[in-house]
Amino acid sequence: DIQMTQSPSSLSASVGDRVTITCRASQDIRNYLAWYQQKPGKVPKLLIYAASTLQSGVPSRFSGSGSGTDFTLTISSLQPEDVATYYCQKYNSVPLTFGGGTKVEIK
Amino acid sequence: QLQLQESGPGLVKPSGTLSLTCGVSGGSISSLNWWSWVRQPPGKGLEWIGEIYHSGSTNYNPSLKSRVTISVDKSKNQFSLDLSSVTAADTAVYYCARGPTLGGGGPMGYFDLWGRGTLVTVSS
Repeated sequence: DIQMTQSPSSLSASVGDRVTITCRASQDIRNYLAWYQQKPGKVPKLLIYAASTLQSGVPSRFSGSGSGTDFTLTISSLQPEDVATYYCQKYNSVPLTFGGGTKVEIK
Repeated sequence: QLQLQESGPGLVKPSGTLSLTCGVSGGSISSLNWWSWVRQPPGKGLEWIGEIYHSGSTNYNPSLKSRVTISVDKSKNQFSLDLSSVTAADTAVYYCARGPTLGGGGPMGYFDLWGRGTLVTVSS
């Protein structure tokens, strides 16, 4: 099975900072990658699919890039409401698998 | 607006079968979507269990395949999860989720709508 590795596992940044989260696949998954945001005690929310396509209604400060094995999620200007755990997920083939998550906090 | 709602027992005995249902409201389960189950142990990450199309076609996570059955009931606009031979390791919040389809009807593989989740604890 293809493994998805996220880094860092947690980070702390100031409001307004640019935040970058990395997701690496153990094999080429082309652009079959999604990103989710899960706020504390809440349901996961789709942010990005096809590695870089923003889901409708998601703020434009979120962006995704990458293809093959290396992907990034960027928050251009961190806001207090962005405190959450972020997960990547590959979907090129079964089994669909998620990364371990990156917890984002405000410094 | 389509909504998903999980239902089922919150406590299951070890070696028993975990059975959950996901009700689809505000839309049809026969729409062009795949329907999945995803779980999250307390304080841990997400694990995909499997998915079903309204035709009955399924895909399962190989790590759980021997214990999982996902079925659809179009008359009730719902789909269900049965997970057999459960242990404490199956304790988790179980989510149902919707996934869009490719043009040919196959699953896209990501999830654009989630239910609120239901905690299932495996304990005697």
